[in-house]
Amino acid sequence: DTGVSQDPRHKITKRGQNVTFRCDPISEHNRLYWYRQTLGQGPEFLTYFQNEAQLEKSRLLSDRFSAERPKGSFSTLEIQRTEQGDSAMYLCASSLVGRGTSNTGELFFGEGSRLTVL
Amino acid sequence: KQEVTQIPAALSVPEGENLVLNCSFTDSAIYNLQWFRQDPGKGLTSLLLIQSSQREQTSGRLNASLDKSSGRSTLYIAASQPGDSATYLCAAYSGGATNKLIFGTGTLLAVQP
Repeated sequence: DTGVSQDPRHKITKRGQNVTFRCDPISEHNRLYWYRQTLGQGPEFLTYFQNEAQLEKSRLLSDRFSAERPKGSFSTLEIQRTEQGDSAMYLCASSLVGRGTSNTGELFFGEGSRLTVL
Repeated sequence: KQEVTQIPAALSVPEGENLVLNCSFTDSAIYNLQWFRQDPGKGLTSLLLIQSSQREQTSGRLNASLDKSSGRSTLYIAASQPGDSATYLCAAYSGGATNKLIFGTGTLLAVQP
């Protein structure tokens, strides 16, 4: 399967613990996005990377959240000192952009990582 | 700031009915628009992507239209089936350097057998 993969699919943790999610994008894609979706809402943008550079962060990304994409391939999203309000589905997407490509910049999503904070 | 709204929030129809889901956006300078399906507790399944230069896209029983001047898109589902029951999300691409997706809150569709 060459789609976007996310791990773990489900994570249950106690309040105050740290959690880390991993996203492996489609192999040739140079952009990677993180979104958060709470129950009954549409996904909300958190941050995105072009190669290894983090180019934009939403105000939703508090200082307890940190995202990395160290080699421009996989990415991790870490949440420190989790709170019950962090319970959500965390979605990762990747795309290919740049000169010389005829693509549309379409985002391709993974299955998401569901976080439950008790 | 782009905002995406979907009406209705929930819809229940009998099997076999044709239906229309509506999506509106505040900034007509969108890049592309995409419709997704989401089953409970699952990720997003892309249904149709309409590029900014296009007016509509079709796939099987689905047809999506885009009217940038009025800030609207519709998703038409023909001959609905119980398996179509899901949440349908509309999302607009911001274009520009970020080209992020801005989502509506979705329409929860239930097709009754």
